[in-house]
Amino acid sequence: AQRVTQPEKLLSVFKGAPVELKCNYSYSGSPELFWYVQYSRQRLQLLLRHISRESIKGFTADLNKGETSFHLKKPFAQEEDSAMYYCALMYSSASKIIFGSGTRLSIRP
Amino acid sequence: GAGVSQSPSNKVTEKGKDVELRCDPISGHTALYWYRQSLGQGLEFLIYFQGNSAPDKSGLPSDRFSAERTGGSVSTLTIQRTQQEDSAVYLCASSKIFGPPGLAGRITGELFFGEGSRLTVL
Repeated sequence: AQRVTQPEKLLSVFKGAPVELKCNYSYSGSPELFWYVQYSRQRLQLLLRHISRESIKGFTADLNKGETSFHLKKPFAQEEDSAMYYCALMYSSASKIIFGSGTRLSIRP
Repeated sequence: GAGVSQSPSNKVTEKGKDVELRCDPISGHTALYWYRQSLGQGLEFLIYFQGNSAPDKSGLPSDRFSAERTGGSVSTLTIQRTQQEDSAVYLCASSKIFGPPGLAGRITGELFFGEGSRLTVL
């Protein structure tokens, strides 16, 4: 079955430290993957998508089909990065999008 | 409007009552999604509508849940005979589609979310 797994419910790092939020997926087709972010008291919004291969707010994510992973990385965390992060998978055969259970990132000063 | 609008923002109801949650998507967005956000469960897919195609209802947790979308715009999620485990934030999102909206076009992948409706069942 198609699934998105985010193994960490909470990740706490110090400001300036590197961050890696893990995401693994299970999908037999050709996936499109995304990271969404929800800051405190704001709406859930798109952070980045794998097909764009871009860096947003210093974050990058590389699709590794061999490991079926799409980990989100940032070399130096900032306090404003504290938020809830969701990894998402869009089916190639339809427009259904499923999300992982989310990881709360907390940046300590 | 400028964004996806959901109402009510908060709803407290008694167990066994029916509730209706409304979503008004961004104008021109023909794809509409409902998700349930609860502590520890993340974002759970419920249903999505795309143009004139039959909705994908595969995420609805029970037959107490139903949704409709009238005129390709506003959507209503209905929960009948609410239970305490239905307590959650219900999020609606909309997206654009590539290609003719009446056919199986693809969405862009960017979902625009509403602020959610927080449902509390006592």
